[in-house]
Amino acid sequence: EDQVTQSPEALRLQEGESSSLNCSYTVSGLRGLFWYRQDPGKGPEFLFTLYSAGEEKEKERLKATLTKKESFLHITAPKPEDSATYLCAVLDRGSTLGRLYFGRGTQLTVWP
Amino acid sequence: DAGVTQSPTHLIKTRGQHVTLRCSPISGHKSVSWYQQVLGQGPQFIFQYYEKEERGRGNFPDRFSARQFPNYSSELNVNALLLGDSALYLCASSPGQIHQPQHFGDGTRLSIL
Repeated sequence: EDQVTQSPEALRLQEGESSSLNCSYTVSGLRGLFWYRQDPGKGPEFLFTLYSAGEEKEKERLKATLTKKESFLHITAPKPEDSATYLCAVLDRGSTLGRLYFGRGTQLTVWP
Repeated sequence: DAGVTQSPTHLIKTRGQHVTLRCSPISGHKSVSWYQQVLGQGPQFIFQYYEKEERGRGNFPDRFSARQFPNYSSELNVNALLLGDSALYLCASSPGQIHQPQHFGDGTRLSIL
């Protein structure tokens, strides 16, 4: 059973059109939730860590929020350079040190 | 500062061969993890090492093995390669505290013919 589900699988936005990506998780206890950005042919690039419900983090046009069941990555007025796959990963309290469970990602395309 | 470096960047092997992938963590990071990413999917956990000891293993067969050296660099070995082993192999490092994020290299693209 998938522990991390991301939606939508793909999202196309026009430049400036704000939207949100969703990451829902089912773990026995959340130790941390991580958002990464991955460009084609590259490794995931760390964006945010969230540890408890109600927490929010911001970086430029991105804002990540966390509830007890899901996280959202809000993209405000996106630009073409924001095009990438966004991955969500969770660290389960029951997992061994450093074992991240990833979703399949949301492929974001921002067109001019 | 240099990020996580992996070598080689690309590799082509045939079924039955073995392969060794290498990873150098960010300076000062003592924890190294290996992940396999198949096209269109998220990374899947293979191993985690901390202070040269294995701390975690994912659901991968015994053909997969790894080790960490005194300088905290790491190797991933895969024996008896199968077509299904074709993937991007990612290495991630972190200082070691569980709440600290893992930082990834750009991976080794392994293709099995």
